[in-house]
Amino acid sequence: GAVVSQHPSRVICKSGTSVKIECRSLDFQATTMFWYRQFPKQSLMLMATSNEGSKATYEQGVEKDKFLINHASLTLSTLTVTSAHPEDSSFYICSARFRGQGIYEQYFGPGTRLTVT
Amino acid sequence: GENVGLHLPTLSVQEGDNSIINCAYSNSASDYFIWYKQESGKGPQFIIDIRSNMDKRQGQRVTVLLNKTVKHLSLQIAATQPGDSAVYFCAETYGILTGGGNKLTFGTGTQLKVEL
Repeated sequence: GAVVSQHPSRVICKSGTSVKIECRSLDFQATTMFWYRQFPKQSLMLMATSNEGSKATYEQGVEKDKFLINHASLTLSTLTVTSAHPEDSSFYICSARFRGQGIYEQYFGPGTRLTVT
Repeated sequence: GENVGLHLPTLSVQEGDNSIINCAYSNSASDYFIWYKQESGKGPQFIIDIRSNMDKRQGQRVTVLLNKTVKHLSLQIAATQPGDSAVYFCAETYGILTGGGNKLTFGTGTQLKVEL
């Protein structure tokens, strides 16, 4: 299957600072990238959907000014958590999608563990 | 509809036994379903998928069954191994048969524990 990478895998930051997480599709061009958030022992919750060159579409309840998403190229999307607070501590997972043979194929990154102290 | 995970159901099986993990989906318009495996601290990994025009699909040691009448999906793992221990999520989407492109909605997940 296709490979999606995330960087960093773990990050600890102080309250009030901003953190940027990168998501890259390594061997395919992703027309769409998704950002999910996952709390311990819970499911993945979609935060936003981004198409290359367009503004991201945020899910209801997700603050777009707090979670800045940039999808600058077909292989790179970034999520910036601005003015992070302890309640933003979570596991953030990106996913990249492309149109395969007649169907959309979506692959997930390994996730980034964010801890805000 | 959206799934909000308040707890994670656990299924414990003996090594070598078969496992059956169930999922109830909510959108009757969903026409494409995927099972993912997520190991601790990692991202979801694709296991098997099924379209709504099928009721059964088999992979290597895994079988997915779809019952559209009751909106139920199951994942069967044959001869469960310790390496199968993980959280399993079902995911649904719609529009796949007409071009796709809609977002995935994840179920609450099931923790599978394989006992030696």
